[in-house]
Amino acid sequence: KAGVTQTPRYLIKTRGQQVTLSCSPISGHRSVSWYQQTPGQGLQFLFEYFSETQRNKGNFPGRFSGRQFSNSRSEMNVSTLELGDSALYLCASSAGTANSPLHFGNGTRLTVT
Amino acid sequence: KQEVTQIPAALSVPEGENLVLNCSFTDSAIYNLQWFRQDPGKGLTSLLLIQSSQREQTSGRLNASLDKSSGRSTLYIAASQPGDSATYLCALPGGSYIPTFGRGTSLIVHP
Repeated sequence: KAGVTQTPRYLIKTRGQQVTLSCSPISGHRSVSWYQQTPGQGLQFLFEYFSETQRNKGNFPGRFSGRQFSNSRSEMNVSTLELGDSALYLCASSAGTANSPLHFGNGTRLTVT
Repeated sequence: KQEVTQIPAALSVPEGENLVLNCSFTDSAIYNLQWFRQDPGKGLTSLLLIQSSQREQTSGRLNASLDKSSGRSTLYIAASQPGDSATYLCALPGGSYIPTFGRGTSLIVHP
């Protein structure tokens, strides 16, 4: 069974630009959640999508948005990039029930200059 | 608001030692607890998942215990090896809270 796939692995963007990250979940998983990881803040939850609907949201500004497609693949978009958005962005998939484990991809390393 | 704390933040041990990593959480109303390892620049690899009704789970040299009433979990690593060097995170991935993670324990096992 293929794992969670995130693309691209690395991105370098300039302040003010926007970026789109992609996540393909494990086959059969309907939940995809996104996280930002930085040395200062650790791993922080951005949002979760389940069956194309945002089911939960963390405490991030509206510049961070996402969507999920009918095949459960998900994209995350960050607009008007700031230097502080430099981070490792991780996505995780699960079956979507309360007792389901999370399975993570290898992340996208975003650097904003 | 659920909070997860991991102690110690860093650990350096010689090969062969048995280790205990600690995780505590503030609200005992959890569905499950999951332990991960993370290698530098990589994603999280799931090690063990303990459902709230369970007391422990074992996988190879790893054993995780859960005491919901006291808000604690421990990850026991037997006979540590240099390949165990990584950051270990505990997480509360489901239920009524947003997924919440500890800051991790950075482990170095030297030969």
